[in-house]
Amino acid sequence: NAGVTQTPKFQVLKTGQSMTLQCAQDMNHNSMYWYRQDPGMGLRLIYYSASEGTTDKGEVPNGYNVSRLNKREFSLRLESAAPSQTSVYFCASSEAVWDTEAFFGQGTRLTVV
Amino acid sequence: GESVGLHLPTLSVQEGDNSIINCAYSNSASDYFIWYKQESGKGPQFIIDIRSNMDKRQGQRVTVLLNKTVKHLSLQIAATQPGDSAVYFCAEIPRGAGSYQLTFGKGTKLSVIP
Repeated sequence: NAGVTQTPKFQVLKTGQSMTLQCAQDMNHNSMYWYRQDPGMGLRLIYYSASEGTTDKGEVPNGYNVSRLNKREFSLRLESAAPSQTSVYFCASSEAVWDTEAFFGQGTRLTVV
Repeated sequence: GESVGLHLPTLSVQEGDNSIINCAYSNSASDYFIWYKQESGKGPQFIIDIRSNMDKRQGQRVTVLLNKTVKHLSLQIAATQPGDSAVYFCAEIPRGAGSYQLTFGKGTKLSVIP
């Protein structure tokens, strides 16, 4: 049972480059999320998708876009990477948007130079 | 500003002792309070939650206490083991949230001394 799978695990980008972080879950969950985690900080919600076909902004959406490709997949895109976007990115999923138990992927460590 | 925060950033405990991790919150309108555990190099993992109308909830080796009077949440781990070494986050969900608003605190690092 893979749970939540993120790719890639590590990435280095130059300022201004673009990239897409991929996330897939195999638990048939309705809701999916993208968080970022900075040193000494908790997790901050970037975007979420309550159900297939919907997406909403979280606490820190600027500089990001998302796509809920289907029920399994939720991607995060950085159109023009900035050093301030250096962080560890986590994808998560849950059965419903109000669930307290979310399942997280292993994270993507992104460095923007 | 952030409504969920921690009293202590680090905690060292002898193996076999009990651990208590504390968290203060400021949002009185939260429906649920939750504890997550994050091991090094991994994503956070759900431990236990407590509804705002409860004072105490027990799980396997863990107990969560909620004191609404002083807006304080704690996680107690019995007989702490080396595998409990991790960063622990408290989180909350505001009451009646029609949208997802799970808010995390900054975390407490628990180190278990063998």
